[in-house]
Amino acid sequence: QKEVEQNSGPLSVPEGAIASLNCTYSDRGSQSFFWYRQYSGKSPELIMFIYSNGDKEDGRFTAQLNKASQYVSLLIRDSQPSDSATYLCAVMDSNYQLIWGAGTKLIIKP
Amino acid sequence: DAGVIQSPRHEVTEMGQEVTLRCKPISGHNSLFWYRQTMMRGLELLIYFNNNVPIDDSGMPEDRFSAKMPNASFSTLKIQPSEPRDSAVYFCASQGGLAATTQYFGPGTRLLVL
Repeated sequence: QKEVEQNSGPLSVPEGAIASLNCTYSDRGSQSFFWYRQYSGKSPELIMFIYSNGDKEDGRFTAQLNKASQYVSLLIRDSQPSDSATYLCAVMDSNYQLIWGAGTKLIIKP
Repeated sequence: DAGVIQSPRHEVTEMGQEVTLRCKPISGHNSLFWYRQTMMRGLELLIYFNNNVPIDDSGMPEDRFSAKMPNASFSTLKIQPSEPRDSAVYFCASQGGLAATTQYFGPGTRLLVL
């Protein structure tokens, strides 16, 4: 069974520091990888996607992909209290279906 | 664009009653997904459609659940009869196509079955 694993947290990070969120996946054939953010009581929203090995940067966010290790991460620089949310990792399988992780709760402490 | 629209936003019902959740995807999107989210099980895919055709309903928990997409702009998820364990947030999401990069989620329907 295809799986996506995340540490449920909560991960507590001081304001201004770097938050590092990690995700591993089981299906070696996966090609597309997504990070969604979900605020409490709200719906998930896409913040980053990555297809190729290496880093992809968008503002304060950097997604990192290592297909050999089946590992994808999200770094948030200069963390702000508004970044406090649950971050969901999702992996698209060969049938174009998203396999979702359980999410990591991130708390940014002022 | 109004985004994905779901109704109702909240539903409280008694065990045994029929519940119908509704979704209007983003215009032009031809893939639609129904999810259920609980604290215990996280986000679970129930069923998805492509061009109004159900592609995979293996996530539908049991025969009490059914979903339809009669046209490109409307889908329903029905639970009959409802049970307390069906209490969850139900999300509808749409996507430009199966190979598109982004699923856009609706605001969700919070269902409580007493």
